[in-house]
Amino acid sequence: GAGVSQTPSNKVTEKGKYVELRCDPISGHTALYWYRQSLGQGPEFLIYFQGTGAADDSGLPNDRFFAVRPEGSVSTLKIQRTERGDSAVYLCASSLEASGGPLYNEQFFGPGTRLTVL
Amino acid sequence: AQKVTQAQTEISVVEKEDVTLDCVYETRDTTYYLFWYKQPPSGELVFLIRRNSFDEQNEISGRYSWNFQKSTSSFNFTITASQVVDSAVYFCALIFTGGGNKLTFGTGTQLKVEL
Repeated sequence: GAGVSQTPSNKVTEKGKYVELRCDPISGHTALYWYRQSLGQGPEFLIYFQGTGAADDSGLPNDRFFAVRPEGSVSTLKIQRTERGDSAVYLCASSLEASGGPLYNEQFFGPGTRLTVL
Repeated sequence: AQKVTQAQTEISVVEKEDVTLDCVYETRDTTYYLFWYKQPPSGELVFLIRRNSFDEQNEISGRYSWNFQKSTSSFNFTITASQVVDSAVYFCALIFTGGGNKLTFGTGTQLKVEL
């Protein structure tokens, strides 16, 4: 079946502009995650959703970043007043569900959106 | 705090050599999960293995093997008889049960396998 898809694959914007990044998870996956990967670094957690609600948004760097998942499927990561430091690859992943307990569900990653802020 | 350290930034080997990628982790939780992911030049993260903290048994899958040692907080990854297609960045990662299902990644090791 189809994997996690992300659009656009590349986004170039100017400092101060607003951008939206989209993630389409694997069908039936209730948990969805956003990570940010800067050059030469490992991915860093931003936020994850269980269904429509943000279960943990502790990784969002500041209030310019916001994410939604209104129908529990597609998610949009929104960045306001972009800064050059926001340039990175934004990765989305999904899993069947998420649990804070000992159960684990494998996260399947999308190809990422490369954001460049000029 | 949870932390994953991959001290090797880049490793170069010649095809057919064995190579070991190191991973050291820190967590105060007694229940946690460790992972290895591969990120080829295409950029997509590919899941390789997960291990829970109660299972220290080493695992072998084809040319890949993993050595988990709680006593040294290490989860090392060995590729036997490396191939050019193994060239990628490899990430070690951790989930601790007190932190939801979010992955904490190391900084990655770039593996280059040359002919």
